[in-house]
Order: sequence, then C-alpha cells, then structure tokens
Amino acid sequence: EDKVVQSPLSLVVHEGDTVTLNCSYEVTNFRSLLWYKQEKKAPTFLFMLTSSGIEKKSGRLSSILDKKELFSILNITATQTGDSAVYLCAHSGGSNYKLTFGKGTLLTVNP
Amino acid sequence: GAVVSQHPSWVICKSGTSVKIECRSLDFQATTMFWYRQFPKQSLMLMATSNEGSKATYEQGVEKDKFLINHASLTLSTLTVTSAHPEDSSFYICSAFLYNEQFFGPGTRLTVL
Repeated sequence: EDKVVQSPLSLVVHEGDTVTLNCSYEVTNFRSLLWYKQEKKAPTFLFMLTSSGIEKKSGRLSSILDKKELFSILNITATQTGDSAVYLCAHSGGSNYKLTFGKGTLLTVNP
Repeated sequence: GAVVSQHPSWVICKSGTSVKIECRSLDFQATTMFWYRQFPKQSLMLMATSNEGSKATYEQGVEKDKFLINHASLTLSTLTVTSAHPEDSSFYICSAFLYNEQFFGPGTRLTVL
C-alpha cells in the first residue's frame, strides 16, 4: 500500500519567515509527486514533480524532489498571512493515476 | 480550462435519507473521475474511481452498496449516499482526470442530522 508522510503536522510562524514542509513517500510505480494548498474548500494545485533534483518555482514557493531518498520539500519564503492553509502532498501512481495524500501540514502565519 | 463543478455545495439531510452529489467536467470530457472524502482535520481519502460506462472501483473499506457511483456520461459522475447516517457527515470532493492531472471540484459538505 502506498504511503505518504508529511511533517510537521502543524507549524506556526510569523510573517516574513521562511518555512520548509517535508513529504516522504513509500510507493510502488512512482509517477509523480504533487503539492496542493487547501484553504476552506477543495485543494488547489501547486506543483507536480516527476524528475529528481529539478526545482519547480512559482513566486515565493518552490519545491524539489529527491527520488533516491524518496522525499520532497516545499519551501515558502517571506511568508504572508495569506499563506495560512493546509499544504497537502500526494503521490500519483498506478495505471489510473489515483492520488494518495499525506495528512497535510497546517501552516499558520501570524502577522 | 479544466473546470470541475459539484452540486450541491452543501446539503443537510435527515438520518435515513439518500443524498445525490453531482460532479461535472465543464469544458472537457473525463473518462475517469475520482471521489474523495475528507473528515474534519484529516486528509483526503480516495473512496472510489469512477469510469465512464463501467462499474466504479471502490477502495478497501468503502461500502459500494452505501456509496453508489454512476458515471453515465463523459462529463457527469454522481455519488449517492444511501440511507445516510451522522457518521457519513463529511466533505466530499470529486476530481476529473485529464492529461495525467486531476482537476478538483469545489467539494460538497454533507451534514446528516
């Protein structure tokens, strides 16, 4: 059974701090590792990672995958209160690309 | 592009009644849709994979007779929670699969009294 483990489960920081969220995985038939941001509703897509060592970047957010060590990190620099959310990591695998989610990291950014 | 809608966005029902949730891909055709459930402060758990024109594939521990899935067209999948009970209260999210990506609907919050 595929497993995705995220850490920490929750994190409280001040505006302007930099945070690193972790995701490790044990899966069969690796296809891709995805990061989502979830506020009140359904998750919104952030990144899809398929290749090891290549950083994906979008503004203050970046992510990288290490396929040898089976983990990924999501970095957020200069955090803002609007970054407060649950960040979900998921593995997409199998013949039907189904997603296995980690439990998420609840990030709270205080002003 | 790649917009997925769900209806209703929230529903309250009495214990013992059935509730139908619709998931539509608005601007693309999806042969595969997924249904997830999310309890408060927990992650999304895949319930079933819905394939157009064939029976859904349910994850272990999900009762297929309780959660009826119908994927009758390439743009619509429905999830019916039959004889709902308070423990079925949850956030139900669908996604549609296109070009190796899943696009999520906005979710349906079900409360069973």
